[in-house]
Amino acid sequence: SQTIHQWPATLVQPVGSPLSLECTVEGTSNPNLYWYRQAAGRGLQLLFYSVGIGQISSEVPQNLSASRPQDRQFILSSKKLLLSDSGFYLCAWSVLRGARGLGQYFGPGTRLTVL
Amino acid sequence: KNQVEQSPQSLIILEGKNCTLQCNYTVSPFSNLRWYKQDTGRGPVSLTIMTFSENTKSNGRYTATLDADTKQSSLHITASQLSDSASYICVVSAPNFGNEKLTFGTGTRLTIIP
Repeated sequence: SQTIHQWPATLVQPVGSPLSLECTVEGTSNPNLYWYRQAAGRGLQLLFYSVGIGQISSEVPQNLSASRPQDRQFILSSKKLLLSDSGFYLCAWSVLRGARGLGQYFGPGTRLTVL
Repeated sequence: KNQVEQSPQSLIILEGKNCTLQCNYTVSPFSNLRWYKQDTGRGPVSLTIMTFSENTKSNGRYTATLDADTKQSSLHITASQLSDSASYICVVSAPNFGNEKLTFGTGTRLTIIP
């Protein structure tokens, strides 16, 4: 069965510090991978998605970047965090059959607080 | 503009009662519609996924319905339990050049009280 891991689970960082959040998927090959952010009381906002190694698409301009160095590894980074980067970050994976998604499966999330 | 609207925003019911959550969407083209349950501080967990041709799908005490003509879906929870307290998110998927584009509702916050 497939599992998705995220770490760390929680993180408190000062403004201006760098960020690296990691997501790994087990039990599947060539998944589509996604990074979402969920602000308190808000819906999920897609930040990045990747359909393959080294292929990153950004949905919104922001202070963050993403990389996919391996098939099942997805990393979210920032060189200098802003207060507005605080939120709950979720990684997800999906497999498509043709153009139709068979579902997206979410990781446990990382709670980031920027002070 | 693709949108997913959920109602009510929040709901409080007694343990053992039934409830129904609503989802209206304007997403087109349409691939499938999913309902997720998200416990506080956790990632969303899929409850049901329905394609255009499916009218209803059940997962234990959860039953989702889909009317693709009116672009409405509902999630019915039977005999609620305290563990059902969570946010329920409706998500609509559209095909997007070999990928899929998801539009998320903002969720219904359900609280079950003993």
